[in-house]
Amino acid sequence: GQQLNQNPQSMFIQEGEDVSMNCTSSSIFNTWLWYKQDPGEGPVLLIALYKAGELTSNGRLTAQFGITRKDSFLNISASIPSDVGIYFCAGHRTGTASKLTFGTGTRLQVTL
Amino acid sequence: ETGVTQSPTHLIKTRGQQVTLRCSSQSGHNTVSWYQQALGQGPQFIFQYYREEENGRGNFPPRFSGLQFPNYSSELNVNALELDDSALYLCASSSGTGMSYEQYFGPGTRLTVT
Repeated sequence: GQQLNQNPQSMFIQEGEDVSMNCTSSSIFNTWLWYKQDPGEGPVLLIALYKAGELTSNGRLTAQFGITRKDSFLNISASIPSDVGIYFCAGHRTGTASKLTFGTGTRLQVTL
Repeated sequence: ETGVTQSPTHLIKTRGQQVTLRCSSQSGHNTVSWYQQALGQGPQFIFQYYREEENGRGNFPPRFSGLQFPNYSSELNVNALELDDSALYLCASSSGTGMSYEQYFGPGTRLTVT
């Protein structure tokens, strides 16, 4: 099935650094969501975006709904060890019931 | 508020067998979606249930079927298991209103087919 492209695939950063990742699609989405998944667990919803250009924050996390509606971005400021995990973007397109299409994931590892 | 729960946590089955996975939705949610997550990939949508009826289906064969009960809990059934069915099966619940795109996931059931 279709998956959205996420970049980078993985990244190693030092504690305290800022992190940026993105998610791109060849199709337009009307809703973008960002999830974090820890090993052996289900994804946890971080941020939901509903409008092109929208910028939404959740603590140290900030996500943006791209103007073209074909991309979204997630930034994490001042990373800490518990930020380690896999970050997935997910998009919803009107007319597809409530099906979410997920990205390929960005694996984040934080070194002390 | 109780979150999404799934059972069992782990399961090992033999090729050709049948399996039933269970999910209890988050309190106040009437919509349940099922996803398959292969190792190293993002979740893939299987189907969704709303008011006890299938409300959308992904690219999965008919041997993947489901049910939703009046209390909004749900089952995923897979017949004639294949080796490629080995994956983490995730259940997600949502409110079924305009914000139903915000889906909340359970911990998943890890299915291994040998």
